[in-house]
Amino acid sequence: AAGVIQSPRHLIKEKRETATLKCYPIPRHDTVYWYQQGPGQDPQFLISFYEKMQSDKGSIPDRFSAQQFSDYHSELNMSSLELGDSALYFCASSLAGSYNEQFFGPGTRLTVL
Amino acid sequence: KNQVEQSPQSLIILEGKNCTLQCNYTVSPFSNLRWYKQDTGRGPVSLTIMTFSENTKSNGRYTATLDADTKQSSLHITASQLSDSASYICVVSADSNYQLIWGAGTKLIIKP
Repeated sequence: AAGVIQSPRHLIKEKRETATLKCYPIPRHDTVYWYQQGPGQDPQFLISFYEKMQSDKGSIPDRFSAQQFSDYHSELNMSSLELGDSALYFCASSLAGSYNEQFFGPGTRLTVL
Repeated sequence: KNQVEQSPQSLIILEGKNCTLQCNYTVSPFSNLRWYKQDTGRGPVSLTIMTFSENTKSNGRYTATLDADTKQSSLHITASQLSDSASYICVVSADSNYQLIWGAGTKLIIKP
């Protein structure tokens, strides 16, 4: 069965650079969530989209923005990167109404040097 | 404050043995409770999801229980295998939004 796809899987950037992470949800899933997981920490919810509209906002820094496109894929744009942004970024997708059971992608490991 | 607490923090058992992981929550209003398995550096994989009306749910060698009155859940792993070594995370969803409240996880190590 198709799963959530994230790209790239690994990304190395320098401080103050920008990065764009992509997420392709499971086909027919209409909701996408973004999480940030630091080393040894539980995932922190950043933002979610339902039917291409922002549905909820968590601890997403102002330097980050995200959107969901007409094909339901989502992109997380990160600017003015800081060392503390180094983390695993997970995308999850769900189908609204099914207890919002979230299926997670493999994650993008971002390293900021 | 919505919180999810898990115990133990870490656990080491021998291959073939059983174990039980605990989860206590103070999330209100409660919608559902999930157990995820997360291998290091990989995305969490859902094991079970239970609503308040469900007391127990199994997925192969994994059996989760839920007591909505005491706000406790457990995950029982039977006949452990080396591949069970991972973090097991209890996650509770509040009814008011789609956000998930994550426990800190239990790091399980299975030794041969």
